[in-house]
Amino acid sequence: DQQVKQNSPSLSVQEGRISILNCDYTNSMFDYFLWYKKYPAEGPTFLISISSIKDKNEDGRFTVFLNKSAKHLSLHIVPSQPGDSAVYFCAASAGKSGAGSYQLTFGKGTKLSVIP
Amino acid sequence: DSGVTQTPKHLITATGQRVTLRCSPRSGDLSVYWYQQSLDQGLQFLIQYYNGEERAKGNILERFSAQQFPDLHSELNLSSLELGDSALYFCASSVGPGGVNTQYFGPGTRLTVL
Repeated sequence: DQQVKQNSPSLSVQEGRISILNCDYTNSMFDYFLWYKKYPAEGPTFLISISSIKDKNEDGRFTVFLNKSAKHLSLHIVPSQPGDSAVYFCAASAGKSGAGSYQLTFGKGTKLSVIP
Repeated sequence: DSGVTQTPKHLITATGQRVTLRCSPRSGDLSVYWYQQSLDQGLQFLIQYYNGEERAKGNILERFSAQQFPDLHSELNLSSLELGDSALYFCASSVGPGGVNTQYFGPGTRLTVL
């Protein structure tokens, strides 16, 4: 049972446009969400996170939106740059609620290609 | 550079063998997590240690074990290796035990079992 789902395995976007990566989750105990970026042969690199008490968090070109009622989050990258081309993973944890352990549950990733 | 180091970077071994993967967390981080990434399963949580003690267990096989030492580095031991154990193994660290503490990942160890 996949608790974190990234339904789009890949996404292509023109340089300068907006990239929108989506993530859905099923476990209502998740209360902290993160996005990681991963290049081949490297470990995941933390990008941005959001706590369940917020619905938006912004950091430079990256914005994460959380819709708790829909159990959906999205990552917006504006403007997209060729260097953003990588696999993006959505992850969630249920630690703060105390009901789960603190591990991250990952989606299977979306490969973003930004075309110059 | 996340500050998390893992050795070795690559490991090739045979079925039935035993290997040890090593992880050093970021300076000041007390929590260490191990994850496995295989082609079809994505990143799967294996086990977490916090300040030397096991904190949480995920999909870790009985043939696998881990520990965290007083200097906070951690080792993941994989024994009686099978072909299906071939994967990338990542270590991550965080300041606290979890929750809103962001986990920072090392570069990984690629294990190939022949």
